[in-house]
Amino acid sequence: SQTIHQWPATLVQPVGSPLSLECTVEGTSNPNLYWYRQAAGRGLQLLFYSVGIGQISSEVPQNLSASRPQDRQFILSSKKLLLSDSGFYLCAWSVRGKVRGAFFGQGTRLTVV
Amino acid sequence: ELKVEQNPLFLSMQEGKNYTIYCNYSTTSDRLYWYRQDPGKSLESLFVLLSNGAVKQEGRLMASLDTKARLSTLHITAAVHDLSATYFCAVDDGERGWGRDDKIIFGKGTRLHILP
Repeated sequence: SQTIHQWPATLVQPVGSPLSLECTVEGTSNPNLYWYRQAAGRGLQLLFYSVGIGQISSEVPQNLSASRPQDRQFILSSKKLLLSDSGFYLCAWSVRGKVRGAFFGQGTRLTVV
Repeated sequence: ELKVEQNPLFLSMQEGKNYTIYCNYSTTSDRLYWYRQDPGKSLESLFVLLSNGAVKQEGRLMASLDTKARLSTLHITAAVHDLSATYFCAVDDGERGWGRDDKIIFGKGTRLHILP
């Protein structure tokens, strides 16, 4: 069976510090991978999605970036965090064609102070 | 650009009542998903609707899809307190199969509060 791992679960970082969130998927090959952000009490905003190694599409211009160094690994990064980067970050994967929708990791709650 | 709109965004209802959450979207997608999110938690998949007229039911929840109207509904029958959560619909914004554009776009969610 497929599983998705996302870490850390919670993170408190000062403004201006770097960020690295990691997500890995097991039990499947060549998944679509996604990073979403959810601000407090708000909906899900698609940040990045990837259909293959090195293929990243950015949805929202901001100080975040994403990389996919391996087939089942997706990393969200920032060189300098802003207060507005606080939120709940969710990694998700889907199979090609998305006939089962997307499956989500447990999320990382990031607080920038 | 695909837009997904849910209404209502907040719903407070009594146990035992019926209600419907609506999800409208702006493209011709024929794939729609419903998710549940409990406070502080991640999203749990509820239903996958893959064609016009699709209907799925699980317990007191029933979801349907009308691709011609670009509308999906999530119907709650005889609500119970355990159904209190935020419900999201999401729409496939890509081409079928090995599409170039594989986005899944979410609505803003409907926060459902069921009063005992």
